Amino acid sequence: RKEVEQDPGPFNVPEGATVAFNCTYSNSASQSFFWYRQDCRKEPKLLMSVYSSGNEDGRFTAQLNRASQYISLLIRDSKLSDSATYLCVVNRGGTASKLTFGTGTRLQVTL
Amino acid sequence: DVKVTQSSRYLVKRTGEKVFLECVQDMDHENMFWYRQDPGLGLRLIYFSYDVKMKEKGDIPEGYSVSREKKERFSLILESASTNQTSMYLCASSSSGGYQETQYFGPGTRLLVL
Repeated sequence: RKEVEQDPGPFNVPEGATVAFNCTYSNSASQSFFWYRQDCRKEPKLLMSVYSSGNEDGRFTAQLNRASQYISLLIRDSKLSDSATYLCVVNRGGTASKLTFGTGTRLQVTL
Repeated sequence: DVKVTQSSRYLVKRTGEKVFLECVQDMDHENMFWYRQDPGLGLRLIYFSYDVKMKEKGDIPEGYSVSREKKERFSLILESASTNQTSMYLCASSSSGGYQETQYFGPGTRLLVL
């Protein structure tokens, strides 16, 4: 079983749609969780951290369910500029600095 | 603005050559990382350094070595390049502040080994 699993997509949605991505992780000792965004042929960049209470940043909402070891990202009112690959990322438990990256979910927003 | 730079964006080498990939960060970060990214496999950690002259193997260290002589610079060395090392190589850095520390990535080096 992969340490971090994501649906690879692609998710093709029209502008203005709401889209949700899910991710599961296997290491119950993981302490920190993130969503990174990676544009085509570019480096990954932090989109947002994910907190136990859930957190929102504009059109983006992240949720964490520790009991189910499940993380989600909701994007509301999708824009063309949201087209990218979204990487689910967790730390390796007991090692604050080392991260495990999911293979990513590709989102294509169309007119 | 935070910055991680990598010595080359594109590199073409021949099998058996020794290859050096360099990474420099200007954020005074303690931690530096080398990953490779391949389609369907995602980012995989090759090596990690948490201080000058300190290094730790990642998930796929075979065929690679690293050097960190200065805090800002972390080098990845392919001792004898092979075709299965054709990949995108990404360097990252982070501070040691705690569990929510962000990793900042360089633009990547696309290496082709012929």
